[in-house]
Amino acid sequence: DTGVSQNPRHKITKRGQNVTFRCDPISEHNRLYWYRQTLGQGPEFLTYFQNEAQLEKSRLLSDRFSAERPKGSFSTLEIQRTEQGDSAMYLCASSFERRGGVETQYFGPGTRLLVL
Amino acid sequence: AQSVTQLDSQVPVFEEAPVELRCNYSSSVSVYLFWYVQYPNQGLQLLLKYLSGSTLVESINGFEAEFNKSQTSFHLRKPSVHISDTAEYFCAVNRRGSQGNLIFGKGTKLSVKP
Repeated sequence: DTGVSQNPRHKITKRGQNVTFRCDPISEHNRLYWYRQTLGQGPEFLTYFQNEAQLEKSRLLSDRFSAERPKGSFSTLEIQRTEQGDSAMYLCASSFERRGGVETQYFGPGTRLLVL
Repeated sequence: AQSVTQLDSQVPVFEEAPVELRCNYSSSVSVYLFWYVQYPNQGLQLLLKYLSGSTLVESINGFEAEFNKSQTSFHLRKPSVHISDTAEYFCAVNRRGSQGNLIFGKGTKLSVKP
């Protein structure tokens, strides 16, 4: 088990371009989360999936953002028409929901996005 | 809604000194509490968590945290820090019975000097 992986680790783009990030969770983890972390702040929740179903979206997730988890394994987060305010670290986490238990979320190393 | 306040954005200490990183939360319902650590250029790692039972929880590297319900606090302590403890520490809460998204504080940067 290699943990949660994210690609790319760094992305520099020009304002107005589209970007896509990928997250590979720990195998057999049925829950997958996306968070955003800006400088000087803690991570903020964006959205989460249980298997392939997107169950919750934060108000931070504007209509320029879309996330998918097509087969309940890896997930992608796409940002369309990027803005400078989108510059942040995008974190992915996964967990295994067990009935009556409490999940521990395991985080990936993040993708750092810089929008010029 | 829940919120988390980490009162100190930066804590400089000398090696082998004790340290306390403060965390207070607000919630109208019962919560689970977590401390995560982020070493330079690495992802967040779970340090310890309080779910129920004993209010004092410990990590494998000497940190401990005590849940204090009356003061709504979950402060992190270590009696003697090492240079390798230099990192950013995040306190987080998760509402009991929720679907799991964590609410984080802004983090505390611990800087251990020789």
